[in-house]
Amino acid sequence: DAGVTQSPTHLIKTRGQQVTLRCSPKSGHDTVSWYQQALGQGPQFIFQYYEEEERQRGNFPDRFSGHQFPNYSSELNVNALLLGDSALYLCASSQTGGAPTEAFFGQGTRLTVV
Amino acid sequence: RKEVEQDPGPFNVPEGATVAFNCTYSNSASQSFFWYRQDCRKEPKLLMSVYSSGNEDGRFTAQLNRASQYISLLIRDSKLSDSATYLCVVLRGDTGRRALTFGSGTRLQVQP
Repeated sequence: DAGVTQSPTHLIKTRGQQVTLRCSPKSGHDTVSWYQQALGQGPQFIFQYYEEEERQRGNFPDRFSGHQFPNYSSELNVNALLLGDSALYLCASSQTGGAPTEAFFGQGTRLTVV
Repeated sequence: RKEVEQDPGPFNVPEGATVAFNCTYSNSASQSFFWYRQDCRKEPKLLMSVYSSGNEDGRFTAQLNRASQYISLLIRDSKLSDSATYLCVVLRGDTGRRALTFGSGTRLQVQP
């Protein structure tokens, strides 16, 4: 059973460029959440997708957008990259149901903006 | 004020020591509580859930005080392999709208 997979694992981009990160959730999971983790900080919630819709959003600008596909996989897009966008981007999947459930994380995509 | 606050540490302890981490959360609507462990440059992984009655998993004991909005983690007989960052995490929201909020983490370094 594959866990959460993210691609690519590392990425270097130039300021002003756009980037797309991808996530495949754990089998049986229907909800995908994205987090940004800067060095020395805990993960910060960007947004969550369920049933192909953005359901919740953290305090991130509109430059951050996403999508969820019918197979539950998801993309995170960041436009007009800034140096401060350099971070580890984590995808977490979970199963939406009656009881709160554990979230499983992918290994992350390390984005460096130069 | 951050929604989940932790002492960043680092906590430097010798092998065999007992160490305790504390965490406070500000949103009383928080529903579930967890400790995650994150090794350097790796993804966070669930260490244990936290219940009001307190729960234990081997050398690890977690406690929740809803009235004080306070969560704790106790590690007994520390091992070198316990060296990591421990993240206090709260969950709130409804079906399809639940999100985890993380503290900044407490770094533990167990020394030989």
